[in-house]
Amino acid sequence: DSGVTQTPKHLITATGQRVTLRCSPRSGDLSVYWYQQSLDQGLQFLIQYYNGEERAKGNILERFSAQQFPDLHSELNLSSLELGDSALYFCASSPRTSRTDTQYFGPGTRLTVL
Amino acid sequence: AQKVTQAQTEISVVEKEDVTLDCVYETRDTTYYLFWYKQPPSGELVFLIRRNSFDEQNEISGRYSWNFQKSTSSFNFTITASQVVDSAVYFCALSGGWDGGSQGNLIFGKGTKLSVKP
Repeated sequence: DSGVTQTPKHLITATGQRVTLRCSPRSGDLSVYWYQQSLDQGLQFLIQYYNGEERAKGNILERFSAQQFPDLHSELNLSSLELGDSALYFCASSPRTSRTDTQYFGPGTRLTVL
Repeated sequence: AQKVTQAQTEISVVEKEDVTLDCVYETRDTTYYLFWYKQPPSGELVFLIRRNSFDEQNEISGRYSWNFQKSTSSFNFTITASQVVDSAVYFCALSGGWDGGSQGNLIFGKGTKLSVKP
């Protein structure tokens, strides 16, 4: 158990809908990272938050957004969902925002868009 | 640009065989970090090891060992006397560089699926 929690574990929804994925980092960690794992693209970095502020952005679509709250939990919002958004979404956390940090991953949320 | 290549898509071995998973990386950074993660069939990503670019000592942890060679930009992973429980997808990853503003995101290879048969 990495100490990172993600809810829900599974999510099935329809095209055009909006969903919210939730992540709670390990105790004491200030950084939260979101990654998407799909069969064609592999594991890709989406976005990072550090202590409530957006820190880095990767290949995140404009239809997706995230935020980190004062209690350090983070939410990833996916809107106008398309079939291609079906993937496993991981959250990871680390103590700071340094490359020296190890990122510990949550169990993931499997999103299926029908 | 930074890149991680895991040329072996799938490997199948019989229990007790040794197996090496290859990882080749590209980066212009002089300081960087390399990681291995394991993704068992249950789906979670499990951290295995972190290595910085200044430490070229090989590391051994039980049946696992890692060989980091800066000269060939490789960070290979060997499992000795493989077991069925080692069956998983293994990912090599590189910490993001400072160019482009990324702070610490990971760049993953495509993964190597290891199947260990009894």
